[in-house]
Amino acid sequence: DIQMTQSPSSISVSLGDRFTITCRASQDIGNYLSWYQQKPEKSPKLMIYRATNLEDGVPSRFSGSRSGSDYSLTINSLESEDTGIYFCLQHKQYPLTFGSGTKLEIK
Amino acid sequence: VQLVESGGGLVQPGKSLKLSCSASGFTFSSYGMHWIRQAPGKGLDWVAYISSSSGTVYADAVKGRFTISRDNAKNTLYLQLNSLKSEDTAIYYCARLWATMALDYWGQGVMVTVSS
Repeated sequence: DIQMTQSPSSISVSLGDRFTITCRASQDIGNYLSWYQQKPEKSPKLMIYRATNLEDGVPSRFSGSRSGSDYSLTINSLESEDTGIYFCLQHKQYPLTFGSGTKLEIK
Repeated sequence: VQLVESGGGLVQPGKSLKLSCSASGFTFSSYGMHWIRQAPGKGLDWVAYISSSSGTVYADAVKGRFTISRDNAKNTLYLQLNSLKSEDTAIYYCARLWATMALDYWGQGVMVTVSS
């Protein structure tokens, strides 16, 4: 199975700051990676697909990138509505596997 | 696009339950569909997948106990859960597979609690 190692597990960030979450894949997943935001008591919401593509309706302060086996989600100029838990998902091969999640709070 | 799960509840270990996911707003028969679950306070775990042509794939943890199926005439996805264990306790989400891109729409989830 492909392991997705996500970091950090939690972080507190000031409004207006820049923040990056990283998922490292244990095998090549060839950009078959997406990022999701989950608010309390809500289902996950797609933010980034195929590693670097912004889903329709997602603010442009969100972006995705790849460096080797590391996939990153960056939030520029953090806003209060960005709090929540962020997950990565690899869908290169079965079983699909998720990162362990990053809880983002406002400082 | 809307996905609405139903059928959850409290069930004893070893018993069965059948979840449904009613789809609307898109051509259901053209899309592969997934079930994903989330234990209380935990991360997300993939459970099963069914393609538009009804091919299926399962996580090892549920293989032989759970069955994913679909009824395109009813625009409904199903998950039959048999021989339930306490570790199956979770919120179960259905999600649509958007080609090779991502799981783009998720239902609101349905809670399954396995306890005596």
